[in-house]
Amino acid sequence: GAGVSQSPSNKVTEKGKDVELRCDPISGHTALYWYRQRLGQGLEFLIYFQGNSAPDKSGLPSDRFSAERTGESVSTLTIQRTQQEDSAVYLCASSQGQAFYGYTFGSGTRLTVV
Amino acid sequence: AQKVTQAQTEISVVEKEDVTLDCVYETRDTTYYLFWYKQPPSGELVFLIRRNSFDEQNEISGRYSWNFQKSTSSFNFTITASQVVDSAVYFCALGSRLTFGEGTQLTVNP
Repeated sequence: GAGVSQSPSNKVTEKGKDVELRCDPISGHTALYWYRQRLGQGLEFLIYFQGNSAPDKSGLPSDRFSAERTGESVSTLTIQRTQQEDSAVYLCASSQGQAFYGYTFGSGTRLTVV
Repeated sequence: AQKVTQAQTEISVVEKEDVTLDCVYETRDTTYYLFWYKQPPSGELVFLIRRNSFDEQNEISGRYSWNFQKSTSSFNFTITASQVVDSAVYFCALGSRLTFGEGTQLTVNP
């Protein structure tokens, strides 16, 4: 597609439920990133995929968070047993591979845990 | 570890004023990239500029200009003759994994 697509755009879930967030990167982009942005704050790195290499999971805040990516296509970010502090906008970005090429961000998924 | 500091949390100016947004970074990498992004109220992050560490030339694009000084680890962003549409949160970011600063909320009043 022309840009990075994220779905759903908004998600309201009950505390304790699991949620799955989806990211469709730009076709041909080998690198994919997930970030979290809490209200009024900066972006917090979560996880990075580059081609078929092992992902960099160093930003995941707890073992309730996990992400998968098949090849160079869609990625899903899963949050298990959601907590109220998980409420945030989750942003996905993709890149041709190296920082030199820049990053394109999606519009994000706004997650609200009630 | 990498770190980006945007000391100005909020800036408010009147239209047509010039405004400079500060960014100071820390990294042990010898080669790195620096970025500025704009996040308008709609929420989407808009790429403004990328600068690599071995190119210290300042850059001007229309009303925007960037001053990169490796000696002081700073990458400041100036908007000349600000407009109401410039109102947004501006983020400075560093590196291949994009370490972001906390952002500066710029409000341009008519």
